Amino acid sequence: NAGVTQTPKFQVLKTGQSMTLQCAQDMNHNSMYWYRQDPGMGLRLIYYSASEGTTDKGEVPNGYNVSRLNKREFSLRLESAAPSQTSVYFCASSVEYRGWDTQYFGPGTRLTVL
Amino acid sequence: KQEVTQIPAALSVPEGENLVLNCSFTDSAIYNLQWFRQDPGKGLTSLLLIQSSQREQTSGRLNASLDKSSGRSTLYIAASQPGDSATYLCAPGNAGNMLTFGGGTRLMVKP
Repeated sequence: NAGVTQTPKFQVLKTGQSMTLQCAQDMNHNSMYWYRQDPGMGLRLIYYSASEGTTDKGEVPNGYNVSRLNKREFSLRLESAAPSQTSVYFCASSVEYRGWDTQYFGPGTRLTVL
Repeated sequence: KQEVTQIPAALSVPEGENLVLNCSFTDSAIYNLQWFRQDPGKGLTSLLLIQSSQREQTSGRLNASLDKSSGRSTLYIAASQPGDSATYLCAPGNAGNMLTFGGGTRLMVKP
């Protein structure tokens, strides 16, 4: 049981390049999330998916797109990377059980845009 | 819009001290509140989750309290150890389980 996995761990892009961050969970969770964390700040929600086939914008969605490929996988795409997207990106998943809904986080992807 | 503030931003204590980390939030209409731990270069690990109807939760040396009406939560760490050194993040959640994170308290426990 690997929990939430993310690839790649590190990535350097040039301005204007595109890339996709991959996330997968093996806990059969319904909900999945993408966050970004900037130095000295808490995490901010980019997009989330409450179930397979649905996605919704979070607090900072501009410049990103997502795909909920199936129940396990939720990818984040940067179509034209900008230096302002330099950040650490975290994927998380959760399932509600009797009113308890704890999010489980992946190890993160450190992205630098030059 | 929910805003979350954590005080202090950084804390350094000698081993064995009891300590309190503070979290305040502006919108009291929360569904629950979670405390997370983040080690350098790592993801987040959930420590405690308090439902909005609860006043506190305990796990080992950790105790989290919630005063929803005043928009405050505290994380109490008893008998701190060097292994407790990490950043602690507070995150109130709404009914859709959308979490809003504070900036965190960076804790250093010195041997």
